[in-house]
Amino acid sequence: QSALTQPASVSGSPGQSITISCTGTSSDVGSYNLVSWYQQHPGKAPKLMIYEVNKRPSGVSDRFSGSKSGNTASLTISGLQAEDEADYYCCSYVGSITWVFGGGTKLTVL
Amino acid sequence: QVQLQESGPGLVKPSQSLSLTCTVSGGSISSGSYSWSWIRQPAGKGLEWIGRFYTSGSTNYNPSLKSRVTISVDTSKNQFSLRLSSVTAADTAVYYCARISYGSFDYWGQGTLVTVSS
Repeated sequence: QSALTQPASVSGSPGQSITISCTGTSSDVGSYNLVSWYQQHPGKAPKLMIYEVNKRPSGVSDRFSGSKSGNTASLTISGLQAEDEADYYCCSYVGSITWVFGGGTKLTVL
Repeated sequence: QVQLQESGPGLVKPSQSLSLTCTVSGGSISSGSYSWSWIRQPAGKGLEWIGRFYTSGSTNYNPSLKSRVTISVDTSKNQFSLRLSSVTAADTAVYYCARISYGSFDYWGQGTLVTVSS
């Protein structure tokens, strides 16, 4: 059960769009539509932003969207805002009622 | 609004056991709609799923920690607990409890820092 692979960092200017990738295998991301994404600000608990690949919980801005192709899931943030600067983690169900997280991506809003 | 709150010792000696409790308010952990989980995060590092339990009494653990982890529940107090045995400095982390819904972790506690040191 290896961690999912995310880029260590991404950056963008206010108003731009960015995409964070999350690469797994055919045993996790590729097998289940149970990919979720979390936003974590420094010193805070993670917050669920996307579940079941592309669904947004109530209250999460529609600027956040998710998708999946094969063994790679993606989180896109459009219309970047200063408050989007945070760490982002993907997570996938991997069967046998277990989960695995990605290593995390630090988003910098320039 | 569901709220989760972790509690327990902030300092544990190497080779001893770490024990934490998560108290849930605003909802019953006996509800069959959800399961409940522990997740940890070493300082400056990523998240690691530890394990989960379901109201049926079933538990599932991260294979890398399975030999040292036990998750239990006290429905009368609406709490669930984590026990991690034979701890080392590598177990130093912020420990979170969370609710699982639709295969994701939708509500989280604020986290509690546990340091393993003599």
